[in-house]
Amino acid sequence: GAVVSQHPSWVICKSGTSVKIECRSLDFQATTMFWYRQFPKQSLMLMATSNEGSKATYEQGVEKDKFLINHASLTLSTLTVTSAHPEDSSFYICSVPTATSLEGNQPQHFGDGTRLSIL
Amino acid sequence: KQEVTQIPAALSVPEGENLVLNCSFTDSAIYNLQWFRQDPGKGLTSLLLIQSSQREQTSGRLNASLDKSSGRSTLYIAASQPGDSATYLCAVFNSKLTFGKGITLSVRP
Repeated sequence: GAVVSQHPSWVICKSGTSVKIECRSLDFQATTMFWYRQFPKQSLMLMATSNEGSKATYEQGVEKDKFLINHASLTLSTLTVTSAHPEDSSFYICSVPTATSLEGNQPQHFGDGTRLSIL
Repeated sequence: KQEVTQIPAALSVPEGENLVLNCSFTDSAIYNLQWFRQDPGKGLTSLLLIQSSQREQTSGRLNASLDKSSGRSTLYIAASQPGDSATYLCAVFNSKLTFGKGITLSVRP
């Protein structure tokens, strides 16, 4: 069964709307979760690292005020795209690493992704 | 800065053919290299993980190799099937995952 649940899977909304995406770890508690973005025909790019109980760490070039991350509990991280515009349209996907994943010994578990389309 | 390259971007083969997908990376300081499968509009399925101290890993019809010193990995798919059609992503891990753009494989019946 699924280890990571990501919701919603598809969002279409008007420009200026804020959109919240949830990532839930179903099988284990996760102090760290990762958020990626994938534009068409491009690589998955790490946007930020979500840390339970502390601020998220953003990659260079990612606006922290635009992409709000809240790691509310050990099983839930949310990504809110604030005042979304057409250029924010992309495929957003989260991953949940185990402790051994962070040590490099196991793969991370990925959600099914959220396709965001801003009109 | 780590860069991962996968060439070609797309590949079409007839069913039954054995094929090799290539991946190269610029920084050999990695903990592991991973191959993923991504179906259209879907998330990632982990196929194989090769730790930096290993040379290869096998799972069923898949075999992945790693030459860390030269910054190369290959994914070998034996006896390809139409169900293998998907995008195959290569990624290297060193505190975070850096992905290639992927190779979109189409296996023709």
